[in-house]
Amino acid sequence: NAGVTQTPKFQVLKTGQSMTLQCAQDMNHNSMYWYRQDPGMGLRLIYYSASEGTTDKGEVPNGYNVSRLNKREFSLRLESAAPSQTSVYFCASNPPGTGFVGTQYFGPGTRLTVL
Amino acid sequence: DAKTTQPNSMESNEEEPVHLPCNHSTISGTDYIHWYRQLPSQGPEYVIHGLTSNVNNRMASLAIAEDRKSSTLILHRATLRDAAVYYCIPFSPWVGTPLVFGKGTRLSVIA
Repeated sequence: NAGVTQTPKFQVLKTGQSMTLQCAQDMNHNSMYWYRQDPGMGLRLIYYSASEGTTDKGEVPNGYNVSRLNKREFSLRLESAAPSQTSVYFCASNPPGTGFVGTQYFGPGTRLTVL
Repeated sequence: DAKTTQPNSMESNEEEPVHLPCNHSTISGTDYIHWYRQLPSQGPEYVIHGLTSNVNNRMASLAIAEDRKSSTLILHRATLRDAAVYYCIPFSPWVGTPLVFGKGTRLSVIA
């Protein structure tokens, strides 16, 4: 199993450009998440999807949209990138079942710089 | 969400035990206590979780206070690879909300 994969690993954008960050998991997990981590800070939740076909806002959703394409894939879109969105973006997933829902598996991250 | 308090940083010598404390005095009765760590330039990694009883796994041990208002993550023999930021996260699986990461404790391991 590859676990949670993210593409691209690095990206540089100019202010106003758009892009989509891709995330896929091959563990048959129901729930998927997008976090951002600014330098020296903890992770903050952007959006999550408890199951295929549903998405919900997290702590910092402004400026982002998400799509849960199918059970495997959860994408994050920046429609008009701003320098404040310079960050490392992590995707995560967790298996179903109470008691295990806190066990999240994280991808390697996408390092995004907006100039 | 329960508020947590962890030291900003700690230091340990290699091969010695490390005790990482966490206060979570507002934890609810159904919240599990999760610990994650984040190695440099990597995504967070699940370490251990528990509810009331102490827990052991291949990575670490988790000691939970009887009143559940604090817990301690124990690394029995620190290695250089254990240098990371450690996050303590109370979490209620029935609420359906995702993990909330604080700033954690940065552990340095000295050879």
